[in-house]
Amino acid sequence: GAVVSQHPSRVICKSGTSVKIECRSLDFQATTMFWYRQFPKKSLMLMATSNEGSKATYEQGVEKDKFLINHASLTLSTLTVTSAHPEDSSFYICSARLIVYNEQFFGPGTRLTVL
Amino acid sequence: GQQVMQIPQYQHVQEGEDFTTYCNSSTTLSNIQWYKQRPGGHPVFLIQLVKSGEVKKQKRLTFQFGEAKKNSSLHITATQTTDVGTYFCPPYNQGGKLIFGQGTELSVKP
Repeated sequence: GAVVSQHPSRVICKSGTSVKIECRSLDFQATTMFWYRQFPKKSLMLMATSNEGSKATYEQGVEKDKFLINHASLTLSTLTVTSAHPEDSSFYICSARLIVYNEQFFGPGTRLTVL
Repeated sequence: GQQVMQIPQYQHVQEGEDFTTYCNSSTTLSNIQWYKQRPGGHPVFLIQLVKSGEVKKQKRLTFQFGEAKKNSSLHITATQTTDVGTYFCPPYNQGGKLIFGQGTELSVKP
């Protein structure tokens, strides 16, 4: 199956700093990628849809200035958590949509801890 | 986007017992997908159901899509410890968006 990678897998940062998370589709091109966050024992919450070459579409309640998304190429989308605070600590997961098969392939996730 | 309710939220079974989780929607779905997330892992695509009344099997897993395309189920025969995880059934929304519900967390006692 198609492979999606995420980097870093784990990051610990101080409050007020910005953190960038990369999501790459390794063996296919993805015009659309999605970003989710997941709290312990909770479901995945869709944050935004990342479209190659255009602005991301954010879900209701997600601050676009807080979570900056850039989809500069067909294989890379980045999520930047700006001025991170402890409440931003979470598991962030990206997925890339393989249009031909209409299924999504998920990255391994990035665990962010903000001190 | 379209969402579904999934029951039960938790299921604890003895290894070898069967397991079923159900997804219900108040609206007709174009299609529904099933994903499995192991503890500490990420969701993995299992299957997509599109046709009314569709039944698909993957070894011990049987997936069904209701005749009215408003509900779906996943049945696992003779569970094994490798079946442990949370099973999700997000319906397909426009643009490929998946809205995940609470899922069903399955634990299997050896």
